[in-house]
Amino acid sequence: AQKVTQAQTEISVVEKEDVTLDCVYETRDTTYYLFWYKQPPSGELVFLIRRNSFDEQNEISGRYSWNFQKSTSSFNFTITASQVVDSAVYFCALSEGTDSWGKFQFGAGTQVVVTP
Amino acid sequence: DAGVTQSPTHLIKTRGQQVTLRCSPKSGHDTVSWYQQALGQGPQFIFQYYEEEERQRGNFPDRFSGHQFPNYSSELNVNALLLGDSALYLCASSRGTGVGNEQFFGPGTRLTVL
Repeated sequence: AQKVTQAQTEISVVEKEDVTLDCVYETRDTTYYLFWYKQPPSGELVFLIRRNSFDEQNEISGRYSWNFQKSTSSFNFTITASQVVDSAVYFCALSEGTDSWGKFQFGAGTQVVVTP
Repeated sequence: DAGVTQSPTHLIKTRGQQVTLRCSPKSGHDTVSWYQQALGQGPQFIFQYYEEEERQRGNFPDRFSGHQFPNYSSELNVNALLLGDSALYLCASSRGTGVGNEQFFGPGTRLTVL
């Protein structure tokens, strides 16, 4: 069963618009971590943010912000004032704490296209 | 500070052949994980090596095997290649096997099976 669901296949925006990426996860563990990675056309996954299950405080880091809600098992990610360089595939990933140490489970990804 | 490196960059094989992919972890990292990413999909966990032993394994057949060396570098071996093995193979390294440890990814090896 898919544990991480990214319902949006592709999002197209014009530069300077905000982009919000949805992520819904499923786990029975009380200890887990959620991640967002970016994969540009070069193929290398680039770490963006990490949040643990005990900290629901939402934060902003530069143009990135995230909204973690355990009640709805969602971990959404927003890019503010998008730029062309933000064009990439974005992946949400789950790392669970029971019998799965260090094993990342990725969603299918959301393609973000930012046009000038 | 070198990041995660993988070789080769691209590889073309035919069905039934065997392939070996290589990975050198980021400096200071001792854990290596391998992922398979089919076109248009998210990475799928293959296995993880720590202290030269396989610690975690995903839902992949025994045709997929690996090894970790004393210098923490790792190899992924795939035997009896199938067309469905065509994918981008990603190596990731981390410091330890903790659930919250950030994994740093290499650029991947693009394997094409004809």
